Amino acid sequence: DAGITQSPRHKVTETGTPVTLRCHQTENHRYMYWYRQDPGHGLRLIHYSYGVKDTDKGEVSDGYSVSRSKTEDFLLTLESATSSQTSVYFCAIRDVGGVRNEQFFGPGTRLTVL
Amino acid sequence: AQSVAQPEDQVNVAEGNPLTVKCTYSVSGNPYLFWYVQYPNRGLQFLLKYITGDNLVKGSYGFEAEFNKSQTSFHLKKPSALVSDSALYFCAVRGNTNAGKSTFGDGTTLTVKP
Repeated sequence: DAGITQSPRHKVTETGTPVTLRCHQTENHRYMYWYRQDPGHGLRLIHYSYGVKDTDKGEVSDGYSVSRSKTEDFLLTLESATSSQTSVYFCAIRDVGGVRNEQFFGPGTRLTVL
Repeated sequence: AQSVAQPEDQVNVAEGNPLTVKCTYSVSGNPYLFWYVQYPNRGLQFLLKYITGDNLVKGSYGFEAEFNKSQTSFHLKKPSALVSDSALYFCAVRGNTNAGKSTFGDGTTLTVKP
């Protein structure tokens, strides 16, 4: 299995509080992604990174920010959590080059915003 | 913009029967196509991919998928279903001109009954 961990795995917070989710990889892969998974919506891309300090928005980036100061870590921050951000968040990584273009996913973080 | 459609929310089959999970896509340029599987309370796991070459690709756990360019489809198949195949299946597409973003379908829940 690809070395991807997410922390915390579960979090309950209140509306208006800041929240930071961490994704850590040991594979030295260039690309890292944050998705949210909601019933009926599949996986939707929030932000992704194509290198240290290089990030771009996905389809549902409003209310989220990211940072990548090291290859191995990709942080997702909710500056002021809202109930609509209650979801399961998945991190993924992807290498470039060769034929290995698939993504590897972390175990997920279940976030509840009350 | 790229998109993926999985027209069936749910597919039910009897154990031992063949199964098909449908996927159609829209993308600029040549597509990279993927199938992932998600078991309860787990992250997504890669099953198989089409990058180039033979239209019939084989993957993990006896699954295969057929790329049909004229119909823009990439249906997932298995000749003989197992109860353990019951899970949520996602199709994903990425254009070869796209820097890194994949688009996922909404997922299809496969239930295999004994």
